[in-house]
Amino acid sequence: QVTLKESGPVRVKPTETLTLTCTVSGFSLTDTRMGVTWIRQSPGKALEWLAHIFPDDETSYNTSLKSRLTISKDTSKSQVVLIMTNVNPVDTATYFCARSSAGYSSSSLDYWGQGILVTVSS
Amino acid sequence: NFMLTQPRSVSESPGKTATISCTRSSGSIGTNYVQWYQQRPGSAPTTVIYEDYHRPSGVPDRFSGSIDRSSNSASLTISGLKTEDEADYYCQSYETSIKAWVFGGGTRLTVL
Repeated sequence: QVTLKESGPVRVKPTETLTLTCTVSGFSLTDTRMGVTWIRQSPGKALEWLAHIFPDDETSYNTSLKSRLTISKDTSKSQVVLIMTNVNPVDTATYFCARSSAGYSSSSLDYWGQGILVTVSS
Repeated sequence: NFMLTQPRSVSESPGKTATISCTRSSGSIGTNYVQWYQQRPGSAPTTVIYEDYHRPSGVPDRFSGSIDRSSNSASLTISGLKTEDEADYYCQSYETSIKAWVFGGGTRLTVL
């Protein structure tokens, strides 16, 4: 059974650094087909793609947020970590992680985590 | 970079057919696969169509996807509408040159 679960702080202060963890089970991050993406959704708004880590550890980022984001993975812990620096209130959102299981051949996201609501407020 | 444009809302009656469009702003719609995700209130998105027209197991065959190169758009069609189909629907594709996922703005489907 494939699952992804997001964890991290539910509240952070402006200018702080946000660290979110996606813990996966039911598949291995060492599988040459498996990548993980982070997506967020501000309250009442659309989905916004943030970052992706490919099976070969290549990374890609939303160009408008690239300077503030870092994505990495720890295969021994089955975790993918997203770091966002210098947060501000507009970063208040539900953050989702999702799996891509087709390597570079398809961008379909077949399993999603439940999401974690992060509020940025002083 | 391209954008995907969806209507903000679509309304239709139970038992009828609803179609949601997703228009690519530049480049060919056929260049990269299109996916469709359903998101019910308070829940994570789930895939209803992947790679233009494929349905994941468990998704009813009332859901179908297509692309139209002449209008440079993709469509999600839901036939025999049920009240449980009421949700937000997002199309998604991929910008190869920068390896970026692109989402449409979402469509609120109301079944009443």
